[in-house]
Amino acid sequence: DAKTTQPTSMDCAEGRAANLPCNHSTISGNEYVYWYRQIHSQGPQYIIHGLKNNETNEMASLIITEDRKSSTLILPHATLRDTAVYYCIVRVIGGSNYKLTFGKGTLLTVNP
Amino acid sequence: DGGITQSPKYLFRKEGQNVTLSCEQNLNHDAMYWYRQDPGQGLRLIYYSQIVNDFQKGDIAEGYSVSREKKESFPLTVTSAQKNPTAFYLCASSPLTGTSPEAFFGQGTRLTVV
Repeated sequence: DAKTTQPTSMDCAEGRAANLPCNHSTISGNEYVYWYRQIHSQGPQYIIHGLKNNETNEMASLIITEDRKSSTLILPHATLRDTAVYYCIVRVIGGSNYKLTFGKGTLLTVNP
Repeated sequence: DGGITQSPKYLFRKEGQNVTLSCEQNLNHDAMYWYRQDPGQGLRLIYYSQIVNDFQKGDIAEGYSVSREKKESFPLTVTSAQKNPTAFYLCASSPLTGTSPEAFFGQGTRLTVV
């Protein structure tokens, strides 16, 4: 019962921006959008999260639509090392519902 | 240094044997999670816990058991009742409060049952 929908796979040219979409049309007002990535056979790594406003850190930018029903993770200058599975999840911070559910994610392949 | 440790990295067992996977964290996180990952698939939640001596079943708990006797530790036992135990197992921990409660993952244990 994943609450997010992502494309199965995407390709990107090295040096170009990678834009990974995520649909979370049933998101609740107190749920944050989180992004993680998993490089082959390793544990997932946190990238970024946000509630309503766009966010940027040293790894990526997160653009959340005004209605919060979708978001886009942007890797501004993709490198070969960004090839990974990217997971978009929604979760509540605090409260009694701390379940953390992942979908199948998007396999991003960065090509030379 | 702080982190979450899973051991061992690779584990081989004979069919019909129970096996326990270790997960320890020194991040003082309240919540801990166990996931299973099969080739080409996403992460599926097995069990999760937010406090000592309390845990909840995830989406695929059948054939698994856990305990949370200490805040730092959340071992997973794969029992003989689990029909397809061969998989990659990931443990995670997360704070439940704060402004940036992201989850931290261990490096996983790859279990092979022969």
